[in-house]
Amino acid sequence: KAGVTQTPRYLIKTRGQQVTLSCSPISGHRSVSWYQQTPGQGLQFLFEYFSETQRNKGNFPGRFSGRQFSNSRSEMNVSTLELGDSALYLCASSLRGLYNEQFFGPGTRLTVL
Amino acid sequence: AQTVTQSQPEMSVQEAETVTLSCTYDTSESDYYLFWYKQPPSRQMILVIRQEAYKQQNATENRFSVNFQKAAKSFSLKISDSQLGDAAMYFCAYKATQGGSEKLVFGKGMKLTVNP
Repeated sequence: KAGVTQTPRYLIKTRGQQVTLSCSPISGHRSVSWYQQTPGQGLQFLFEYFSETQRNKGNFPGRFSGRQFSNSRSEMNVSTLELGDSALYLCASSLRGLYNEQFFGPGTRLTVL
Repeated sequence: AQTVTQSQPEMSVQEAETVTLSCTYDTSESDYYLFWYKQPPSRQMILVIRQEAYKQQNATENRFSVNFQKAAKSFSLKISDSQLGDAAMYFCAYKATQGGSEKLVFGKGMKLTVNP
């Protein structure tokens, strides 16, 4: 089976812009979750989608949003970018949820200037 | 607050030796899941081992085993016969439930160096 893929791999944006990141899960996986990884804060859970519905959400502001499509592919959107949003954004998929093994993608490296 | 603490930011081990990575967590739940994930340099994060809190038996996966002490809220990872490919960042994680919402809480990670 193909692994989790994320596009784009690298992105440079300026403050105030918005960005959309994409994640394609492993075939058959219905749960997709998103994480922000920074040197200072480490790995932080953003949200989880299951069957096109946001099932769980971390402690991030409303500028961070996402969605999931009927084929389980997911997108994450960040509006009004701030310098502190610079991070590696990881997506993970699993069969049924957060208690299952998470299969991570390679990440999207976002730099906000 | 539900937190995961990895007190050692870095460790090193000689090839073929054994090393133990520590992890403690804070929770009021009785049933939960614990994980160790490995993130090799420039490679994707992968699951090393998973433990269900209601199972008293410690999980093992080949050279990897855990010492799960539920009362002490401790979840350490033992790597036996260390190999060069074990060099990576290791993250301890806990599936938390709060107010009906779930999330994965990760420790800050620990960088393991394996010396030949």
